[in-house]
Amino acid sequence: DAGVIQSPRHEVTEMGQEVTLRCKPISGHNSLFWYRQTMMRGLELLIYFNNNVPIDDSGMPEDRFSAKMPNASFSTLKIQPSEPRDSAVYFCASSIGTSGSNEQFFGPGTRLTVL
Amino acid sequence: QKEVEQNSGPLSVPEGAIASLNCTYSDRGSQSFFWYRQYSGKSPELIMFIYSNGDKEDGRFTAQLNKASQYVSLLIRDSQPSDSATYLCAVTSGNQFYFGTGTSLTVIP
Repeated sequence: DAGVIQSPRHEVTEMGQEVTLRCKPISGHNSLFWYRQTMMRGLELLIYFNNNVPIDDSGMPEDRFSAKMPNASFSTLKIQPSEPRDSAVYFCASSIGTSGSNEQFFGPGTRLTVL
Repeated sequence: QKEVEQNSGPLSVPEGAIASLNCTYSDRGSQSFFWYRQYSGKSPELIMFIYSNGDKEDGRFTAQLNKASQYVSLLIRDSQPSDSATYLCAVTSGNQFYFGTGTSLTVIP
């Protein structure tokens, strides 16, 4: 089992550029979560999907952020335009079931730096 | 007020001692409670979960839940240097999943 796969692992970009983060959940998991982690704010849930459908996106900071899950094996988180305050580690996690009460398995994260 | 509060530490204990990590939450209707461990530069991994009041033991780890006090804790017995990490408390409330900012634990050999 490959676990949750995220790409890229590191991304450095300039302010104003579009950034796309990618995630492949564990096969058979039907919930997918996107988190952002910073020293100041800790781990914040941005959005999560059940069976490819967005359930709660109240954590998405603003319209510059968007997330999609076109099928059960792929999701993207896009930031357009990016800003320096978006610099953080972005984690994708997946779990079995749809209640949010099951163990979440985290990917290795994408470290984003916006200059 | 944050949904989940943890003392950021750092907490230092000598090897072999008991480490006690604490977490409070604001939503009395919260249903599920988790402890994740995160090593520096790595992703969080689940250590324990607890749903009911009382204690739940798994090896050297014990999770304690007190819903009346809205308090959940994690005890690590016989602490080892390999336990040095940040410990994240997580709580589910309705469709939401909240993490605390974590407590940094250092076990001194």
